[in-house]
This record gives sequence, structure tokens and C-alpha cells, in this order.
Amino acid sequence: AQTVTQSQPEMSVQEAETVTLSCTYDTSESDYYLFWYKQPPSRQMILVIRQEAYKQQNATENRFSVNFQKAAKSFSLKISDSQLGDAAMYFCAYRSPQYGNKLVFGAGTILRVKS
Amino acid sequence: DTEVTQTPKHLVMGMTNKKSLKCEQHMGHRAMYWYKQKAKKPPELMFVYSYEKLSINESVPSRFSPECPNSSLLNLHLHALQPEDSALYLCASSQEPAGSYNEQFFGPGTRLTVL
Repeated sequence: AQTVTQSQPEMSVQEAETVTLSCTYDTSESDYYLFWYKQPPSRQMILVIRQEAYKQQNATENRFSVNFQKAAKSFSLKISDSQLGDAAMYFCAYRSPQYGNKLVFGAGTILRVKS
Repeated sequence: DTEVTQTPKHLVMGMTNKKSLKCEQHMGHRAMYWYKQKAKKPPELMFVYSYEKLSINESVPSRFSPECPNSSLLNLHLHALQPEDSALYLCASSQEPAGSYNEQFFGPGTRLTVL
């Protein structure tokens, strides 16, 4: 079974600075999908960024980018120019093509942004 | 419309009550999900409906009874719950079949308290 590990329970970043959230996963599959979801306090979960394993190019969405290292099974999220609105719980998630409807979530990282 | 709506936002019920949670989406998604989320934890998958048929039941106690009356609606019927069932209940939807970019769209959740 696949597992997802987020080793940083909490992170802090100064406004306008850059922060990287780590995520590693364990799988024997060669094709899969990876996601970062953001859940602000008392607000709904939204997708931040996604990556397909067969694509070597790292995904980028505005200030959010990933460092996808397939061999190392690592999928870190970099947030540039951090803003107060980035404060949230961030979940890394894995989805297998074989079990397409199941997301395997990591434990989450709470990101605090200091002004 | 890229929104998943959930009602009610908050629910307090006694252990002998019967209540229902409602979820609705109008994105044409044919997969719908119920998750349970405890504070500062990742969502735990409970049920998945695919084309209005129950496709995944993660060994959820029978006091939780899902229903998918049509492709836009998902209900979760609650009966004889326990205090440990108090949590945030999230609904989500996604496209089917599970293609590469079928991200799950989450609703804001129902905050359930069982007394």
C-alpha cells in the first residue's frame, strides 16, 4: 500500500520570504499523480498544485512550485513571496491510476506566516 | 459553477437522534465522496460513489448510511452516533473515469458535534 509522509508538523515563514514543505511517499508504481492541497482555518480544502509522475518537468502555479524527485520519491512544495493568506494546513496526497478514486494523504503541515 | 455545497454548516445531535448531511454539486462530476476529518488530521475516506453506485466503503460503521439520489446529490444519514463521531464531515466530487487531472473538489464541510 502507498504511504505519504510529511515530516514537518509545523513551519513558519516571514511574509515575502520563501518556504519549502517536504513530502515523501512510498510506492511500487511507476505511474501516479501527486497533489498539494491547502486547507485554511475554517475554510475549505483547495488544490494548490498537481504533478503527474511521468512528466519530468516540475509543475508551477504562480508562486507555488514543486520539486519532484521521482527516484527519491520526494515531492516538495515551494511557496515564494509568502503572503498572510498562505497560512493554512497543507496536505500532500498521492493517487494511483489503479485506485483512481482514492487519495492517500500525508499527515499535513501547518504553515504560519509572520508579518 | 465549480462549487461543492454542504448543508448544514454546523450540527449538534444527541446519540439517539437521526439526522442527515447533504452535499450538492453541479459540475457534472460522476464521483462523489464522504470524508471524516478530525482536528489537525488529514481527511479519512468513508465512502465513494461512482455513477451513483457505492464503489468504496472503508469499513464505516452502519450508523453512517450514505445515499446518492442522483448525480448531483449526496446524503449521509446519521443514526445512533457516538461522541467520538464528532468531526468535520467533508464532501468532495470529481470527474469519472479517474483521468489524470480529475482533482477532487471539496465542500466547506459540516461540523458535527455528538452529545
